Amino acid sequence: EPEVTQTPSHQVTQMGQEVILRCVPISNHLYFYWYRQILGQKVEFLVSFYNNEISEKSEIFDDQFSVERPDGSNFTLKIRSTKLEDSAMYFCASGKSSYNEQFFGPGTRLTVL
Amino acid sequence: SQKIEQNSEALNIQEGKTATLTCNYTNYSPAYLQWYRQDPGRGPVFLLLIRENEKEKRKERLKVTFDTTLKQSLFHITASQPADSATYLCALPAGNTGKLIFGQGTTLQVKP
Repeated sequence: EPEVTQTPSHQVTQMGQEVILRCVPISNHLYFYWYRQILGQKVEFLVSFYNNEISEKSEIFDDQFSVERPDGSNFTLKIRSTKLEDSAMYFCASGKSSYNEQFFGPGTRLTVL
Repeated sequence: SQKIEQNSEALNIQEGKTATLTCNYTNYSPAYLQWYRQDPGRGPVFLLLIRENEKEKRKERLKVTFDTTLKQSLFHITASQPADSATYLCALPAGNTGKLIFGQGTTLQVKP
């Protein structure tokens, strides 16, 4: 069964450093998302991406964040200058349409020291 | 603003019983509602989607109801098993880009 994959599973970085989180969505899906979950809190929407552009972003997704689909398979989230409060689990998700279920990856645990 | 509420207290039930979890929402008229399962340290796993014109949806031992008048969804697991122990998340769409807003989840513990 096809699944969303994410790398790395755990990333530790120093405050102020750039990180890139990588995702490979399910191959025939057209809609891509990033969510994050701070420990003990809700899953929060960050950004949706369709047709090679951002379709919606949350207030969290400020100028320090960017997304890219550099080729036909990868979908990346970049945080330019990490802050302590960026420490969280980051989940990538994909879906066939914007009105159907989303399939989530296993997540990347980001720890900012 | 849009708000989703799930019972934040853990639900403890005996194996074989039916678990019922509640999702209430306000300031919202969603076209559909989704339920996900999340295990500790893992990503949400899709379980069921129910649309506004559907009263009830079933999948194996799972059943979801959707009452747009009460603004509530109920999620049932019949003949529960210890392997059903997890956190169950309710999610609603906000807008037409696929953005989901999640409830805080209810943790279910099924004791053998």
